[in-house]
Amino acid sequence: QVQLQESGPGLVKPSETLSLTCTVSGGSISSYYWSWIRQPAGKGLEWIGRIYSSGSTNYNPSLKSRVTMSVDTSKNQFSLKLSSVTAADTAVYYCARGSPEAADYWGQGTLVTVSS
Amino acid sequence: QLVLTQSPSASASLGASVKLTCTLSSGHSGYTIAWHQQQPEKGPRYLMKLNSDGSHSKGDGIPDRFSGSSSGAERYLTISSLQSEDEADYYCQTWGTGIWVFGGGTKLTVL
Repeated sequence: QVQLQESGPGLVKPSETLSLTCTVSGGSISSYYWSWIRQPAGKGLEWIGRIYSSGSTNYNPSLKSRVTMSVDTSKNQFSLKLSSVTAADTAVYYCARGSPEAADYWGQGTLVTVSS
Repeated sequence: QLVLTQSPSASASLGASVKLTCTLSSGHSGYTIAWHQQQPEKGPRYLMKLNSDGSHSKGDGIPDRFSGSSSGAERYLTISSLQSEDEADYYCQTWGTGIWVFGGGTKLTVL
């Protein structure tokens, strides 16, 4: 059974960079798409972007200027960096595995709060 | 523009059936979608991928009580024999023009 686990700081200061890592267990990171999705409290899901195991990326146009994703196949991990954060970036951040069309395995999520 | 529209809420009685709807925006009626379930205080769980012809493939361990169907631009999720643990938010999701899109979600209350 594939499992995904998000990790990273739970508190980030405004204007700084949010950094999260997703560790994949129970399966290889190769040949899949790996996404980050976030959910502000009480709201719906927002796709941030995805990276293929080869390293090619697609980002949400609304966040593209601030997002960088990377993959480390040797560690079975992929990562998210979101720069210049504000309070509006406070959310639960999920990592997910998928095909081009859909996520089929999700992590449990990690809360990131942007505050000084 | 690719948009998925869902009713904000739905309700049905324990043991009954309910049909949730996800509507694709004009010009996108042939798109495949996915349904995801998010129980309270939990991460989402993939339920199924649903094609425009109604064929669908479910995720690991998803009970037979969950099924999908399609008609035109509408994609449906039917849950039969409702159980208390089915009370959750249900999101549809699709892919197009370089972006994943989520519907706003439907909050299902089991009475």
